[in-house]
Amino acid sequence: DAGITQSPRHKVTETGTPVTLRCHQTENHRYMYWYRQDPGHGLRLIHYSYGVKDTDKGEVSDGYSVSRSKTEDFLLTLESATSSQTSVYFCAISESPYVRDRGLGTEAFFGQGTRLTVV
Amino acid sequence: AQSVAQPEDQVNVAEGNPLTVKCTYSVSGNPYLFWYVQYPNRGLQFLLKYITGDNLVKGSYGFEAEFNKSQTSFHLKKPSALVSDSALYFCAVRDIHAGSARQLTFGSGTQLTVLP
Repeated sequence: DAGITQSPRHKVTETGTPVTLRCHQTENHRYMYWYRQDPGHGLRLIHYSYGVKDTDKGEVSDGYSVSRSKTEDFLLTLESATSSQTSVYFCAISESPYVRDRGLGTEAFFGQGTRLTVV
Repeated sequence: AQSVAQPEDQVNVAEGNPLTVKCTYSVSGNPYLFWYVQYPNRGLQFLLKYITGDNLVKGSYGFEAEFNKSQTSFHLKKPSALVSDSALYFCAVRDIHAGSARQLTFGSGTQLTVLP
């Protein structure tokens, strides 16, 4: 497996509380992503980062914020958790998709996931 | 905007038979295409990719996929299915068109069950 660690792996929290999920990589990849996986929806992109302090929104960013102060760490924060944010969250990393001359496939490598339950 | 469709939620196949998991895509520019597999309670594992060149791409565990530009498809195939191939399969796309390549978009997934 690629060097990606997600923490915590499981969390139960109450509605209205803040929650932060951490993704840590040892591959020095430039791009990092947060996805959520829900039955019938596949994986949906929440936010992604293309460098330190460079982030952008994905398809389902409402209610989520991210920060990347170091290459290796990408944090996902739920400012005030809601039951609709109960999901499995995956972090992924990749090289830059623009580095084509190195023949890099720019495939993403995934962490093991964090199961978050908001009660 | 880029998108991926996996028209079948579930595919059942007998062990030893060929399998196909379908994927179609929509992009503005040229696509990078990927297949991933997910086993229960695990993250996604990369299987194979199409970037350019030969339309038939070979990947891990005997899987292959064929890129068809005219049909905008990238179906996953295996000549002889194994029970251990039973898993959730995802197709994904990057649009090489500038500004869109940063995002990796996934389909909704297809549950493959190989029956003994």
